[in-house]
Amino acid sequence: RKEVEQDPGPFNVPEGATVAFNCTYSNSASQSFFWYRQDCRKEPKLLMSVYSSGNEDGRFTAQLNRASQYISLLIRDSKLSDSATYLCVVTRSQGNLIFGKGTKLSVKP
Amino acid sequence: ETGVTQTPRHLVMGMTNKKSLKCEQHLGHNAMYWYKQSAKKPLELMFVYNFKEQTENNSVPSRFSPECPNSSHLFLHLHTLQPEDSALYLCASSQDPDRGQPQHFGDGTRLSIL
Repeated sequence: RKEVEQDPGPFNVPEGATVAFNCTYSNSASQSFFWYRQDCRKEPKLLMSVYSSGNEDGRFTAQLNRASQYISLLIRDSKLSDSATYLCVVTRSQGNLIFGKGTKLSVKP
Repeated sequence: ETGVTQTPRHLVMGMTNKKSLKCEQHLGHNAMYWYKQSAKKPLELMFVYNFKEQTENNSVPSRFSPECPNSSHLFLHLHTLQPEDSALYLCASSQDPDRGQPQHFGDGTRLSIL
């Protein structure tokens, strides 16, 4: 089983749609979780950390389910500028980050 | 001034050349990382430096040789590379890797091996 698994997509959605990304991880000792965003031919950028209680940042909501080893990202009212690849990231027991392959999102007008 | 800067942005080299990639972070972080990103693959961690000491080497071939002279600078020396080494090489830094804190990435060096 891969350490971090994501649906590769692509997800093609119209502007204004709500889209959800899912991610599962295999290491139950992982302590920190993040969503990163990577635009085409650019570096990954931190989008948000993910906490057990769930957290929201504007149109973005992240959830963590430790029992199921599952992380989600919800984007509401999607914008054209949200088009990117979204990377699910978890830590190994010693703290290094493990990146998923990413889910590609394409928002269309 | 960006937090993590990498040079060069693009590099084309032959298999017999020797070149170096440079990374500098201006964030006061204690840990620095080299990653490789190939097409359709997740980011692969190559090396980790924590307070200038190498703490991880993810079975990287010896043709890649890292150097960390201080906590703000990181180099990746390249020698006798193979075509499959063509990829985007990303440098990152974080405050404290042992606490799994987020990493900040540079723009990357796009490397092509002829």
